[in-house]
Parts: sequence; C-alpha cells; structure tokens
Amino acid sequence: EAGVAQSPRYKIIEKRQSVAFWCNPISGHATLYWYQQILGQGPKLLIQFQNNGVVDDSQLPKDRFSAERLKGVDSTLKIQPAKLEDSAVYLCACRGKVYNEQFFGPGTRLTVL
Amino acid sequence: EDKVVQSPLSLVVHEGDTVTLNCSYEVTNFRSLLWYKQEKKAPTFLFMLTSSGIEKKSGRLSSILDKKELFSILNITATQTGDSAIYLCAVLNTGFQKLVFGTGTRLLVSP
Repeated sequence: EAGVAQSPRYKIIEKRQSVAFWCNPISGHATLYWYQQILGQGPKLLIQFQNNGVVDDSQLPKDRFSAERLKGVDSTLKIQPAKLEDSAVYLCACRGKVYNEQFFGPGTRLTVL
Repeated sequence: EDKVVQSPLSLVVHEGDTVTLNCSYEVTNFRSLLWYKQEKKAPTFLFMLTSSGIEKKSGRLSSILDKKELFSILNITATQTGDSAIYLCAVLNTGFQKLVFGTGTRLLVSP
C-alpha cells in the first residue's frame, strides 16, 4: 500500500511566528487525519477530513490552527501564531483500504523557541 | 470522554525475555483496538483486534482482546534489541472512525 509523504521533516521557529505543514497521501486515500504528538504522549487527533470536507475538528485550537484539503488530495496544517506548547511532532495519517487501520507519514517535528 | 490507559509506562528487559504490555479502555461506540510500534519516527501498524478471545499473531508478537473486561495485551517473546520502541495502543470508534491513543509503553531491550 502506498505511503504518506510529509514536509518539512523538521522546523524550528520562534513563538508568535507562523508555520505550515504539508501532507500528501500518495495513493489518494479519501480519509486524512492530522495528529499532534507531544513528547511523552500518544498522538492526539486534531482534524479529520473525508475528501474535501471536515468530519471532526473538535480538538483543533481554531484560534490559531487551521487546515485545509483542496481537491481531496494534499492537505496543509497551519499554526498562526505559534506558542511554546505547540512544540510537538505533527503526524498525517490515512485510512488503509484493507483493514481500515490508519497508517502514518514520517511526521514533522516542530520546535517553538 | 474516551480514555485509553497503558501500563507499564516504561519497561527495561534483557534480550530473550518475554514481555506483556497492557491496555485498558473506556470508549463509547467501540469498534476495534489497534497496536502500533513507534521508533524514532511514525507509528507503524501491528495489529487490529475486533473480536474477543481471538489471538492475533505475527512472529514473536501476539495480542488478544477482552471486550467484556475492556482490555488488551500485547506479548513479545524472545525479545531482541530491535524491539526497543514505544508501543501505542489505540481504540477506534464507530461513526467517524476516530482513533484515541494511550500514552504508550516505552520498552528498552538491553543486550
């Protein structure tokens, strides 16, 4: 099964700056997820897309986080302005076609100074 | 609120030992329980369990689900240093198919 590409792999910014992450589910899966994983914790769902539409964004801090998925393929996650507590790995995932498991991209490690 | 609790939080064993990792959950509209292995990068899928009492096995790893007592265990026999990782348990609900993760168990296998 095809993988999930993410970029950049690492990003260091200062607080109050903006940052954007990109995800490409190579095989064109309909369901796409963004997770935030803070050091020492499990991944936490931020937002779930089904094609272009948002299915669940209940845990997305909407005052500073935004995400979009144009044309039901690539997705971007933006933080503006960043806070120190946003330092985490941001994981993009898609739902597998065989077992319905979620499989993850390599993640973007964000450090906010 | 949906909750997944893993224990122990961390574990150090010697190569060749057998380990058992625990996962308990409280989730509305349960569909499946999943185990992932996370090394220095993204979690990789190990097992999906949907039915109680049916063991899933892959090499030295095996897992079983108890839907009555709301827990699962992951067993690793004859551990190797390459098994060192964080093992994440997650529960999938019906409807929107949302995964709720535990905090993970950090396993270190020493030579």
